[in-house]
Amino acid sequence: AQSVTQLDSHVSVSEGTPVLLRCNYSSSYSPSLFWYVQHPNKGLQLLLKYTSAATLVKGINGFEAEFKKSETSFHLTKPSAHMSDAAEYFCVVSDTGSQKLVFGTGTRLLVSP
Amino acid sequence: DGGITQSPKYLFRKEGQNVTLSCEQNLNHDAMYWYRQDPGQGLRLIYYSQIVNDFQKGDIAEGYSVSREKKESFPLTVTSAQKNPTAFYLCASSRGDRGGGPDTQYFGPGTRLTVL
Repeated sequence: AQSVTQLDSHVSVSEGTPVLLRCNYSSSYSPSLFWYVQHPNKGLQLLLKYTSAATLVKGINGFEAEFKKSETSFHLTKPSAHMSDAAEYFCVVSDTGSQKLVFGTGTRLLVSP
Repeated sequence: DGGITQSPKYLFRKEGQNVTLSCEQNLNHDAMYWYRQDPGQGLRLIYYSQIVNDFQKGDIAEGYSVSREKKESFPLTVTSAQKNPTAFYLCASSRGDRGGGPDTQYFGPGTRLTVL
């Protein structure tokens, strides 16, 4: 069965500094991996997804993630944080051929001026 | 505008009452999903439907029921049998299984249910 672990429940950065949100996954098959963002009391918005094409995936708002099979990781990065990036971020895994998603517990990103 | 709408945004219910949450999409998606979100936890799947008039239980279906009579609508009923119904409920939709792996799921804005 697939699972995903988000290693940090909270990450704090200053505006203009890099962002790193960590995610490790477990999957029996070739996984599809996603990062979603949720602003307070809102639905989830897709940032990016990996589906066995290029291992470096570029998403919206300057975010990107790298799929590393040897490390079973799919960390989310951004070179320079903006105040508007403050939100909750979810790493999500799904096995190929399945429509079911498995969510991590989320990482809350705090951005200070 | 295309998208997913959920209503109401906030809902209050007395213990022992059933309540129905609405989810409508105009994206022409085949598949629809209901999730529950609790503080400090990820989303958990309640029910999903890949086609009209068919649906499957997710990981936490007890105390919930759904129907899928129309492609664009997937209402969720929280019954009195659900022991801890206070949560944030999110509906999602996707194009459906096209044999190429999971589609992107698009989410509605959510309904916050509080049991008094």
